[in-house]
Amino acid sequence: DTGVSQDPRHKITKRGQNVTFRCDPISEHNRLYWYRQTLGQGPEFLTYFQNEAQLEKSRLLSDRFSAERPKGSFSTLEIQRTEQGDSAMYLCASSLSLAGSSYNEQFFGPGTRLTVL
Amino acid sequence: GQSLEQPSEVTAVEGAIVQINCTYQTSGFYGLSWYQQHDGGAPTFLSYNALDGLEETGRFSSFLSRSDSYGYLLLQELQMKDSASYFCAVRARPGANNLFFGTGTRLTVIP
Repeated sequence: DTGVSQDPRHKITKRGQNVTFRCDPISEHNRLYWYRQTLGQGPEFLTYFQNEAQLEKSRLLSDRFSAERPKGSFSTLEIQRTEQGDSAMYLCASSLSLAGSSYNEQFFGPGTRLTVL
Repeated sequence: GQSLEQPSEVTAVEGAIVQINCTYQTSGFYGLSWYQQHDGGAPTFLSYNALDGLEETGRFSSFLSRSDSYGYLLLQELQMKDSASYFCAVRARPGANNLFFGTGTRLTVIP
C-alpha cells in the first residue's frame, strides 16, 4: 500500500454513459498525476496538477475527459459519453515537489479498471 | 515523439542475475526511472538516474549512459517474488514530472 487510494477499483459501464473516478493522494503531496494503462502497455500520461492547478494535459485527453483537484487534495477524473476504447486501467499517482529538487518519486495508487460494454 | 524500447519478456533462474535494457528516443531527457509492477498491482518506484553511471539500491542497480540514450536495470540474487513487469520511464522536460513509460519487460523467475 503506497498511501494513494482510488475509488472505485472496478467500474463496468455501458457505452455512452458518464463515469467519475476519485483519487486520494498522500496527504502532504502537492502533485497529482493521472495515467491510463492498457493491457501489455506501460502507463500513458494524461494530466497532472500542482496543488489545485492543472498544469498539463496530454493530447490523449480528449474533450470527453475532465479532471479536477479542488482545494488541492483529492482529484476526480470524469469521462463523458464513454466509448469502448476508453476501457483501461486508470492510475493516479502523487509526489511531493520541493523547490530546488530535481526529481520527485511518484507513488501510484492501485488503479480503477474501467470496462465499457 | 517519444519512444522507449525494452525487451518484451525475460526469463531467469532463481538466484541468478538479470539485466533489463532500455533505449530511448525523446525530445528531451532529464532522467530515467524504473518501476516494478506485479500483475493487478500498482507500479512501484525502484530507482532513478539523472546522471551517467550506476545507482545501487540493495539487490537492484540501475545504469545510465546519456550519450548512448541507454540504461539498464540489474537485478541480483533473483527471487520468485521478482516475477513482475519492469518499466523504464523518461522524464522528458525540466520542471515537469510526468513520465513517458516504455512498454515494459515481463520477467519470469523460475526455480
